[in-house]
Amino acid sequence: QKEVEQNSGPLSVPEGAIASLNCTYSDRGSQSFFWYRQYSGKSPELIMFIYSNGDKEDGRFTAQLNKASQYVSLLIRDSQPSDSATYLCAVGSASKIIFGSGTRLSIRP
Amino acid sequence: ETGVTQTPRHLVMGMTNKKSLKCEQHLGHNAMYWYKQSAKKPLELMFVYNFKEQTENNSVPSRFSPECPNSSHLFLHLHTLQPEDSALYLCASSQDKTSGSDTQYFGPGTRLTVL
Repeated sequence: QKEVEQNSGPLSVPEGAIASLNCTYSDRGSQSFFWYRQYSGKSPELIMFIYSNGDKEDGRFTAQLNKASQYVSLLIRDSQPSDSATYLCAVGSASKIIFGSGTRLSIRP
Repeated sequence: ETGVTQTPRHLVMGMTNKKSLKCEQHLGHNAMYWYKQSAKKPLELMFVYNFKEQTENNSVPSRFSPECPNSSHLFLHLHTLQPEDSALYLCASSQDKTSGSDTQYFGPGTRLTVL
């Protein structure tokens, strides 16, 4: 089992809809959770981080964390073509951060 | 200049060459990281430095040699590389490495091609 697992996609979502990206992790001791966006040929860019169970909202983005079920998700409301990118989930424990392989999101006009 | 910078942005080298990648962070951070990103693979952590001391070496071949002269600069020295080493090499920094809750900020990367 991979330590951080994401569906590779591509996930195709119509413009204006909600895009939902999911990530599961294996280490129950994980303490911090990050979502990065990576455009093709560019470096990862931090979108959000979350440490506590529940939802955290920032503009059109909402991160959801459920430690009991060991998953973290990212919702993107009112999806725009500029949201088309690969989204990386990263999970941190006391000693390390592990990245998932990413989900490719495509917003179709 | 702010953030994390990397030079060069693109590098093509032969298998017998020696080259170095440079990373500089202007965020006042104490931890710096080298990652390798190959096509369709997760980010692979290579090295971690915390307060200039190397704290992790994830079984990286000796043809990659890191150097961290101070908390703001990180180098990756390359020699006798193989074609499979072609990848995007990313540098990142964070406040410090005492916990995994530390947010990492990435540089733009160096696209390396080994012929």
